[in-house]
Amino acid sequence: DIQMTQSPSTLSASVGDRVTITCRASQSISSWLAWYQQKPGKAPKLMIYKTSNLESGVPSRFSGSGSGPEFTLTISSLEPDDFATYYCQQYNDYPWTFGQGTKVEIK
Amino acid sequence: QITLKESGPTLLRPTQTLTLTCSFSGFSLSTIGVGVGWIRQPQGKALEWLADIHWSDSKQYSPSLKSRSTITKDTTKNQVVLTMTNMDPVDTATYYCAHRVVGGGLDYWGQGTLVTVSS
Repeated sequence: DIQMTQSPSTLSASVGDRVTITCRASQSISSWLAWYQQKPGKAPKLMIYKTSNLESGVPSRFSGSGSGPEFTLTISSLEPDDFATYYCQQYNDYPWTFGQGTKVEIK
Repeated sequence: QITLKESGPTLLRPTQTLTLTCSFSGFSLSTIGVGVGWIRQPQGKALEWLADIHWSDSKQYSPSLKSRSTITKDTTKNQVVLTMTNMDPVDTATYYCAHRVVGGGLDYWGQGTLVTVSS
């Protein structure tokens, strides 16, 4: 299985901060990486697919980049609605695997 | 508008079989490139991918659950069913189904259904 390692596990930040979350794959996944946002009690929401493609309706302050094995999700200026847990997921190879999550909390 | 909704039992006893149904609308599982996956999440823990079925009826399973999981689709009813045998308390989680297209992520999710396994 491909292991996805996210860092940090928790991130404390303030509104307006630039935030970067990293995801490292244990082997090549080409560009087949997605990022999800999840709020308590809610289903995950797709934010970025194929490393850098913004899902429809997702604010442009979110961006994704990277190439094997390290990928990043960046929020250029944190908004109150962005405090949530973020997961990366590879879909290059089965079994698809998720990172362990990064909780973005209010500083 | 694509929507998905999971349904099934909320409480199971250990060793029982779980049957979850994902009922969807707004797309067809006969359309080339479309798939539906199942993902679960124990309370306070990370997401875990379980299984996936394509428009072609190709199926994939998590190796750790493959021996006791079956995924099927009913195109006429717009449903995908996941069956897991020999349920254990460690299988207690919220189970989600999600839509995807080839090359994209899991772009539409159901609300999730909490399944508790307890004696």
